[in-house]
This record gives sequence, structure tokens and C-alpha cells, in this order.
Amino acid sequence: DIQMTQSPSTLSASVGDRVTITCRASQSISSWLAWYQQKPGKAPKLLIYKASSLESGVPSRFSGSGSGTEFTLTISSLQPDDFATYYCQQYNSYSLTFGGGTKVEIK
Amino acid sequence: EVQLVESGGGLVQPGGSLRLSCAASGFTFSSYSMNWVRQAPGKGLEWVSYISSSSSTIYYADSVKGRFTISRDNAKNSLYLQMNSLRAEDTAVYYCARALMTTVTLGHSYYYYYYMDVWGKGTTVTVSS
Repeated sequence: DIQMTQSPSTLSASVGDRVTITCRASQSISSWLAWYQQKPGKAPKLLIYKASSLESGVPSRFSGSGSGTEFTLTISSLQPDDFATYYCQQYNSYSLTFGGGTKVEIK
Repeated sequence: EVQLVESGGGLVQPGGSLRLSCAASGFTFSSYSMNWVRQAPGKGLEWVSYISSSSSTIYYADSVKGRFTISRDNAKNSLYLQMNSLRAEDTAVYYCARALMTTVTLGHSYYYYYYMDVWGKGTTVTVSS
């Protein structure tokens, strides 16, 4: 299986900060990467697919980049609603795998 | 409104069985592949199983292969997960999720890539004596 490694595991930031989360794949996955946001007790919500395509309805402050084995999710100006846990997920292989998650906390 | 609603979770003893259901509405269920994804308490997300729109293609995670069976009834707009020989480590919230497919053609070969765009709220399975 393709292993996905996210960093950091926890991030403390303030409203208005620019935030970057990194995701690394154990082998090349081209651009077959998605990002999800999850809040406590809620289902994951799709933010980004194909590494950099913004899902409909997702604010433009979210952006994704990368290809191959290294990817980033950037929040350009952190808003109160953005405090949550973020997961990357590869879909290069039929056996989907997720990163361990990055919890974005209030500083 | 596109919606997925899971049901069937509960408390079961180790070695027991449970059948989860996922009712779909607001979209043409028979046109989409579907997945089950789970999340153990305080842990990350783990993909469990995939089924294509016609049920012709099915995949399982190694952790559940031979114990879980995914199925669907397109006439009833429903997805199922039959879980047998349950273990404590199967304790989790189980989500059903719709798959959005991209097809890439290379010569005479077709490659399919899918991610999950719509998720249900989940149903909780607890395996404990």
C-alpha cells in the first residue's frame, strides 16, 4: 500500500495566519490526491481533488499544490471556521490511503 | 439535496456480526461507485471497501478481507456492509461515501481514479464483551 505522511500533526495558528500543511507519498501518485476537512463529531468534507482543484463551494482561501510525492494544502488567511483536522488521501491506487491528519488549533 | 444516511451500528460481542446500511437520496445512485470508510475513536480515517456502480468491481482493505462483504441494491438506492467475525479493532464510526471517478485512457488501456465527494454522517460500531 502507498503510505501517506502528513506534517505537522498539530499546528497552532491565529486568525489571519497563512497556514501550510504538507503531505508526502511513499511513491509517486501523480496528482491523484485529495484533501478533506473534518470537525469533531462530523463527517469529512472534500476541499481539494486532483491535488489542486477546488471543490465547488469551498472558499478560495484554500489551495492545493504538488505532484509526484510531495503536496501542500495552504489556507491563505485562517478563519475561525477553519479550526479542524485536515487529511490528505491518495487515489492513485484502488487501495485508498489517508495521511494521519493535521489538527489546526487556535494559538 | 444529495444525502447519505447510514444505519445499523451498535454494540456487538467479539466474533459477532452486524450489517450496516446506507440510504442514498438526491442523486442517481445507480450511476456512482460507493465506499465505506471508518474511523476508530480518536484516530484517523481508514478506507474499508469499494463497490462499482454495477457491483462488477469490489475491493477490500487487507484488514477486513474475508470478514466483510460490501453490496448494493440500486433499486432501493442502498449500500450495505456485512461485517462478520468482528474484532475489538473494528470499533469505529463507519461512513459511506460516494465516489467520483476520473477515467484516463492510454492507448487501449483504461485507468480509473476515484475520490470521495459526498459523505454520510456515520454510524457507530462498538465491538466489546
